[in-house]
Amino acid sequence: SQKIEQNSEALNIQEGKTATLTCNYTNYSPAYLQWYRQDPGRGPVFLLLIRENEKEKRKERLKVTFDTTLKQSLFHITASQPADSATYLCALGNNAGNMLTFGGGTRLMVKP
Amino acid sequence: DGGITQSPKYLFRKEGQNVTLSCEQNLNHDAMYWYRQDPGQGLRLIYYSQIVNDFQKGDIAEGYSVSREKKESFPLTVTSAQKNPTAFYLCASTIDRVRQVFGPGTRLTVL
Repeated sequence: SQKIEQNSEALNIQEGKTATLTCNYTNYSPAYLQWYRQDPGRGPVFLLLIRENEKEKRKERLKVTFDTTLKQSLFHITASQPADSATYLCALGNNAGNMLTFGGGTRLMVKP
Repeated sequence: DGGITQSPKYLFRKEGQNVTLSCEQNLNHDAMYWYRQDPGQGLRLIYYSQIVNDFQKGDIAEGYSVSREKKESFPLTVTSAQKNPTAFYLCASTIDRVRQVFGPGTRLTVL
């Protein structure tokens, strides 16, 4: 069955450093991968999308890589700030349907 | 402002009761989705609808029902057949069937 793994342990980093979150998947051939941010008690917010034929995407301080050989995506936040503290979810989708499959999320804590 | 509204924010249900969660969107989106989120876990798809008067079961549809009589509205009913309904429920929509926009969620607790 399809499986998406994100580090369930919280990632604690110091303000100003680069945060790197990992999303690994098995038994899946996604056409695209998305990253969402979720704050406690709120709905997720879309951040970035990367397609299977793309290696890297950037948006301001965010960078996503997508390695379909390793079946892995890395999500980077450079110059991290305490306001970046949240849970980050990765989600995979394919062109055969309209559904996303979500990972369990990784909680990021940026300390001042 | 366009967006998705969910109500109520908090809902308490006694065992054996059916409850309905509201989801409304003014984004003119065709597709709408219902997810369930348990603590520390990812979102699991309950039902989705691509067009009015049509909906499909997701991965965990048992014990739930939906309707899609209007494009703007996609209510979810949690029936008494759902044995463990305590969770955070999220409604979403998408116009391009790729990126999803989420509502603020409803937290359901069984007393």
